[in-house]
Amino acid sequence: DAGVTQSPTHLIKTRGQQVTLRCSPKSGHDTVSWYQQALGQGPQFIFQYYEEEERQRGNFPDRFSGHQFPNYSSELNVNALLLGDSALYLCASSFGGGAPYEQYFGPGTRLTVT
Amino acid sequence: GDSVTQMEGPVTLSEEAFLTINCTYTATGYPSLFWYVQYPGEGLQLLLKATKADDKGSNKGFEATYRKETTSFHLEKGSVQVSDSAVYFCALRDTGNQFYFGTGTSLTVIP
Repeated sequence: DAGVTQSPTHLIKTRGQQVTLRCSPKSGHDTVSWYQQALGQGPQFIFQYYEEEERQRGNFPDRFSGHQFPNYSSELNVNALLLGDSALYLCASSFGGGAPYEQYFGPGTRLTVT
Repeated sequence: GDSVTQMEGPVTLSEEAFLTINCTYTATGYPSLFWYVQYPGEGLQLLLKATKADDKGSNKGFEATYRKETTSFHLEKGSVQVSDSAVYFCALRDTGNQFYFGTGTSLTVIP
């Protein structure tokens, strides 16, 4: 049983560019949440997708957007990249929407903006 | 706003030593509290949770008690092992169903 998978593992982009990160949830899960973890910090909630809609959003600008596909996988898009967007981006999956007690995290995508 | 403050690391202990990692929170209402662990190269894993005051969460020898009067959820283990070396995150889920994480505490256990 595959857990949560994320791609790519690492990514280097230039300021102003756009990036797309991908996440496949754990088998049986239908809800995907995205987090940003800056170096030395804890994860910060970006948004959650359930039933192909954004259900909740943290304090992140509109440059951060996402999508969920019918197979429950999800993408995180970041436009007009800033140096401060450099971080580890974590995807977490769960079942049933809402705020789960049990979230399964992927290993993350390390984004570096130069 | 809601937040979590946890003890800064890094923490280095000898095998079989007693572990305490302090965590305090600020929240309106009655949040649920969690400890997550991140082993090197892996994603965060839920270690234990407590959903109401005076609940004790426990797993793999780790324990934490939800103390409303002191707004704390300190993580403890009586005898750490080398395999416990990881980064530990305290987190809360507020009444608006959002998660807030602390900054993490790195633990290294030496034989």
